Amino acid sequence: DAKTTQPTSMDCAEGRAANLPCNHSTISGNEYVYWYRQIHSQGPQYIIHGLKNNETNEMASLIITEDRKSSTLILPHATLRDTAVYYCIVLSNNDYKLSFGAGTTVTVRA
Amino acid sequence: ETGVTQTPRHLVMGMTNKKSLKCEQHLGHNAMYWYKQSAKKPLELMFVYNFKEQTENNSVPSRFSPECPNSSHLFLHLHTLQPEDSALYLCASSQDVGGVETQYFGPGTRLLVL
Repeated sequence: DAKTTQPTSMDCAEGRAANLPCNHSTISGNEYVYWYRQIHSQGPQYIIHGLKNNETNEMASLIITEDRKSSTLILPHATLRDTAVYYCIVLSNNDYKLSFGAGTTVTVRA
Repeated sequence: ETGVTQTPRHLVMGMTNKKSLKCEQHLGHNAMYWYKQSAKKPLELMFVYNFKEQTENNSVPSRFSPECPNSSHLFLHLHTLQPEDSALYLCASSQDVGGVETQYFGPGTRLLVL
């Protein structure tokens, strides 16, 4: 499986967009990019996933570069409740073993 | 609310006790998972069930015994645990087993073994 690299932490101002980068330079053609987050003392929460095209849902947008070697998760209007650890994961379509690395600790400040 | 519930949310047990963790999903999914999340460690997959059949046992010690009576319920029976088994135990479900199937997690059971 491709490994991912994320910054350890980042701060974001409430109401501003939060842009979370992820590098996955060894990603294979059949591997998807998934994002989950985990708010303190809660279970992980699915955010979004994509293969090649940019994706948007009610929570976030996912921008994947054309070469698919990196992606950015965008939280358009961060709130205090978005403070969490965000995990970028790559999974092939026949693999279900979620493996969370250290992730990015995002702190949204008022 | 993700549609996956876990009980109890917190559990303290001695090393000689027997206890069970319960997970229920209300999403109509066919696959259910147990994960362990220890402090400062990555998420570890323990067991996978698909249509009530165990499809994965990730070298988990026998003091952890899963049970899946139907596609909506998953149990983890615990006996003679060790202090290092203290962790957050997470249940998840997905429509089917597969990389593109999104997994939905419950809130977890915080277990402390004394």
